[in-house]
Amino acid sequence: GAVVSQHPSRVICKSGTSVKIECRSLDFQATTMFWYRQFPKQSLMLMATSNEGSKATYEQGVEKDKFLINHASLTLSTLTVTSAHPEDSSFYICSASEGQYYEAFFGQGTRLTVV
Amino acid sequence: AQSVAQPEDQVNVAEGNPLTVKCTYSVSGNPYLFWYVQYPNRGLQFLLKYITGDNLVKGSYGFEAEFNKSQTSFHLKKPSALVSDSALYFCAVREAGGYQKVTFGIGTKLQVIP
Repeated sequence: GAVVSQHPSRVICKSGTSVKIECRSLDFQATTMFWYRQFPKQSLMLMATSNEGSKATYEQGVEKDKFLINHASLTLSTLTVTSAHPEDSSFYICSASEGQYYEAFFGQGTRLTVV
Repeated sequence: AQSVAQPEDQVNVAEGNPLTVKCTYSVSGNPYLFWYVQYPNRGLQFLLKYITGDNLVKGSYGFEAEFNKSQTSFHLKKPSALVSDSALYFCAVREAGGYQKVTFGIGTKLQVIP
């Protein structure tokens, strides 16, 4: 299947700093990218959906000023966690899709720990 | 609103036996249905999908799933389980058409016993 690369796989940052996570589709053009957050032993919670060249659509309860999403090209989306706090510690996963008839492929996830 | 139910938190099966992981869904229009597998501290890997056509869908690693519209189910199956199949399995649904968001079930942990 198609490959989605997510970087970094693990990051530890100090409280109050910002962290950027990259999601790249390596062998296809991702018109839509999704960002999820996964809590331990829980399902994936969709944070936002982004279409290339337009503003991301955030799910209810997700702070758009805290979780900045940029989808500047058909192969790259970034999630920036601004002013991170320990409660932001989680596993963040991105996924990318070529379009409405296609399945989404997932990155390997980023384990964020805020200390 | 669309939803997915995976009624079993965990499924245990002996190696070599057939396995079934259950999934039911609710969506307003026609569904697109997916199964993904997740290994510890990893992202999700796509297994198979149902978009249209044959109700029995075959996917990666010998897995298959049957779409049953009347029962709104999309159970994942494999004729003979392997120890390496032990992982967390997620069923997902989205409504056909447009860039609709995908809703995931809570996941079912599959444990294959040697």
